[in-house]
Amino acid sequence: QSALTQPPSASGSPGQSVTISCTGTSSDVGGYNYVSWYQHHPGKAPNLMIYEVTKRPSGVPDRFSGSKSGNTASLTVSGLQAEDEADYYCMSYAGSNNLGVFGGGTKLTVL
Amino acid sequence: EVQMVESGGDLVEPGGSLRLSCAVSGFSFNDAWMSWVRQAPGKGLEWVGRIESTTGGGITDYAAPVKGRFTISRDGSKTTLYLQMNSLKTEDTAVYFCTKWNRANAMDVWGQGTTVTVSS
Repeated sequence: QSALTQPPSASGSPGQSVTISCTGTSSDVGGYNYVSWYQHHPGKAPNLMIYEVTKRPSGVPDRFSGSKSGNTASLTVSGLQAEDEADYYCMSYAGSNNLGVFGGGTKLTVL
Repeated sequence: EVQMVESGGDLVEPGGSLRLSCAVSGFSFNDAWMSWVRQAPGKGLEWVGRIESTTGGGITDYAAPVKGRFTISRDGSKTTLYLQMNSLKTEDTAVYFCTKWNRANAMDVWGQGTTVTVSS
């Protein structure tokens, strides 16, 4: 059982927006602004999409955005494109005894 | 160009040992914090452990399932990260990724992974 809870699947049509949630506790998501999101096309290296809840690394399209409210973080993908179809994982820092806790992953399907 | 290439994955029997390597290029290895993440078949990502920069003392931290069995080390002269895995269990079967851990507690560079299978 993963420490953070994500929906197993999400979907949307090209051009639409989809939001993926990531729910933790006050010991991880709610306690730190160190939530990151990763895109993973199976068989390839995962790619950092969002860090520190809302920040995008250079090269990541601004269609990807992050937010947080209480113990739940969210990743929103706007203007869905076919290449956005992938698995998405959230991760949170959870203190010095548990540096990285992942969600179980969400498979995003572009219809 | 930033590159991280893992190697050393293999089939090993339960109770056995294995050492994974991750050859790094394209950034200042000695100043970088590095970590390992794994993905078991059909499962999600799981953080394994982290090592701080050589210049920072190379302090290590591990996830509970591997603490006491796995050891992360680094060789600056070879710009290579290692994961020594002892007392392997079937549940350690996974693809192992090496990653660069940034100061925002996120992993901003990932290798392609190497596969470890623990089975008799």
